[in-house]
Amino acid sequence: DQQVKQNSPSLSVQEGRISILNCDYTNSMFDYFLWYKKYPAEGPTFLISISSIKDKNEDGRFTVFLNKSAKHLSLHIVPSQPGDSAVYFCAASVTGGFKTIFGAGTRLFVKA
Amino acid sequence: ETGVTQSPTHLIKTRGQQVTLRCSSQSGHNTVSWYQQALGQGPQFIFQYYREEENGRGNFPPRFSGLQFPNYSSELNVNALELDDSALYLCASYVPGTDLTGELFFGEGSRLTVL
Repeated sequence: DQQVKQNSPSLSVQEGRISILNCDYTNSMFDYFLWYKKYPAEGPTFLISISSIKDKNEDGRFTVFLNKSAKHLSLHIVPSQPGDSAVYFCAASVTGGFKTIFGAGTRLFVKA
Repeated sequence: ETGVTQSPTHLIKTRGQQVTLRCSSQSGHNTVSWYQQALGQGPQFIFQYYREEENGRGNFPPRFSGLQFPNYSSELNVNALELDDSALYLCASYVPGTDLTGELFFGEGSRLTVL
């Protein structure tokens, strides 16, 4: 039962353009959403998060959008840089809960 | 500030054997979670320890067990290894309630291969 789905295994973008990574979830109890980035041979690192009371959160080049009615969130990276090439995991949790549910990840390639 | 460290980084075992993986949490973090990441998948929650007690568990059989020590470091033990246990095992730490972002701090992982 995949509660968090990332349907695009990979995405290729030209340097300087916008990268849009998508994520869908099925559990309406989720109220906190996060994006993690993972480079090879490293553990995932936190990138940006959003609470269900908001529909947008920005941090520099990274913006996360949340559409609760569609149970959909997206991560926008603009402008994309070659150093952004990594696997991006969408994750969701319930406040006060003990586990975070991860999607399968999207591998982003940013071409110079 | 010391980050999350895991050992060993790589190991190879055969079916039926037992394995112990170790994790030192980030300084000041009293909660440790373990995740299994199989090839091509996202991390799957195994269990969580808070103040030396397991306080949450995912859909993993009892042969997956753990410990947390007074210094908040942790162990993951897997008995009767199966081929499907081959994966990257990730440890993550955090301080519940005070970390406003809710983010997990991950170690680099222990890659287990079962032959």
